[in-house]
Amino acid sequence: GQNIDQPTEMTATEGAIVQINCTYQTSGFNGLFWYQQHAGEAPTFLSYNVLDGLEEKGRFSSFLSRSKGYSYLLLKELQMKDSASYLCAVRDNTDKLIFGTGTRLQVFP
Amino acid sequence: DTGVSQDPRHKITKRGQNVTFRCDPISEHNRLYWYRQTLGQGPEFLTYFQNEAQLEKSRLLSDRFSAERPKGSFSTLEIQRTEQGDSAMYLCASRPELNYGYTFGSGTRLTVV
Repeated sequence: GQNIDQPTEMTATEGAIVQINCTYQTSGFNGLFWYQQHAGEAPTFLSYNVLDGLEEKGRFSSFLSRSKGYSYLLLKELQMKDSASYLCAVRDNTDKLIFGTGTRLQVFP
Repeated sequence: DTGVSQDPRHKITKRGQNVTFRCDPISEHNRLYWYRQTLGQGPEFLTYFQNEAQLEKSRLLSDRFSAERPKGSFSTLEIQRTEQGDSAMYLCASRPELNYGYTFGSGTRLTVV
């Protein structure tokens, strides 16, 4: 079966660092994606990992361990505008994205 | 390049009515995907196309749902005899053949009353 797990909700303070974890079990693996989604809007692409290791892009970094079926998204220097849902998705062996339920992050001043 | 466009943005319909949504992908993106998202959940795969060919359809998808992409450009998603459980955001995404970048539209929010 297809299973992607991530925490439902997280809170953090402006300026802090937060790590959102994602574990997956899917039929095939062709890359892991992180998307940001503000309420009522389209998911927007944040990062893509297909090999093990850390990918850094500005304030956002994403890590992948294929052997452990594990990824995390690291957000540094949090801003109020980072309050959103963060979606972990795996591209399976038929080229579609399988999404987790999303992690709703609330950033407080 | 204006991104992925979806129409309408919002649709309210009475139970039992048919509805049709349209998606215009980014030009030259030959892969097009439909997803459904309910409140507090991640997007759920419905179906996808490579050009005009429908390559996969979710086994969870009722026979009341049908999608087409007749000329390999825009796509339509039709729901017949809508039910309250069909209320959701319907998202369309596209990507080019040799690139991993999936781009999502802003979605059509369906409310069945």
